[in-house]
Amino acid sequence: TAGITQAPTSQILAAGRSMTLRCTQDMRHNAMYWYRQDLGLGLRLIHYSNTAGTTGKGEVPDGYSVSRANTDDFPLTLASAVPSQTSVYFCASSDSQGGQPQHFGDGTRLSIL
Amino acid sequence: SQQGEEDPQALSIQEGENATMNCSYKTSINNLQWYRQNSGRGLVHLILIRSNEREKHSGRLRVTLDTSKKSSSLLITASRAADTASYFCATDSIGKLIFGQGTELSVKP
Repeated sequence: TAGITQAPTSQILAAGRSMTLRCTQDMRHNAMYWYRQDLGLGLRLIHYSNTAGTTGKGEVPDGYSVSRANTDDFPLTLASAVPSQTSVYFCASSDSQGGQPQHFGDGTRLSIL
Repeated sequence: SQQGEEDPQALSIQEGENATMNCSYKTSINNLQWYRQNSGRGLVHLILIRSNEREKHSGRLRVTLDTSKKSSSLLITASRAADTASYFCATDSIGKLIFGQGTELSVKP
């Protein structure tokens, strides 16, 4: 079925290690987003991309980087993981920036020890 | 920063009853969206209501928007056990969504 695929579904990572969370969409959406979801804080935007080749910072970008080499893929990288980055990470996409519903993947549950 | 605040944080009802969830926000918006999240899954879009609209329906869902009060409500009629989930409002003012903390709905059979 069409949608967003995130990998891995879960991961335990030692502090200081690097990790790339993968996100692929097959809907040919222009805009893509990364959120983290923490208990009591809801979803917060980490980074976004309005179209292939462009990226922007969200509300909580520190410690994370993204790239958008093509329309379908939007990987999120933690260069040197810290325990405060333990969270559930969701990738989403929309047809265009703003005013459109977003489609979400099922998330990556990441624990930093 | 949280734009939307949802009320109540948790709601428990019997199957067949109606469920109402409220969302308040602080700044002017272009549109407001409601999403559902089942346990362990991603968010699913339910309804988008634009700032010039007052009410929108989709099946058993009814959303209202009062821009003068900066508030919205989601009504689920004739609830079912399958409606058990967390419900989030999200405001769009600059092309980015800002999510509330959600209402956890439990529908008991």
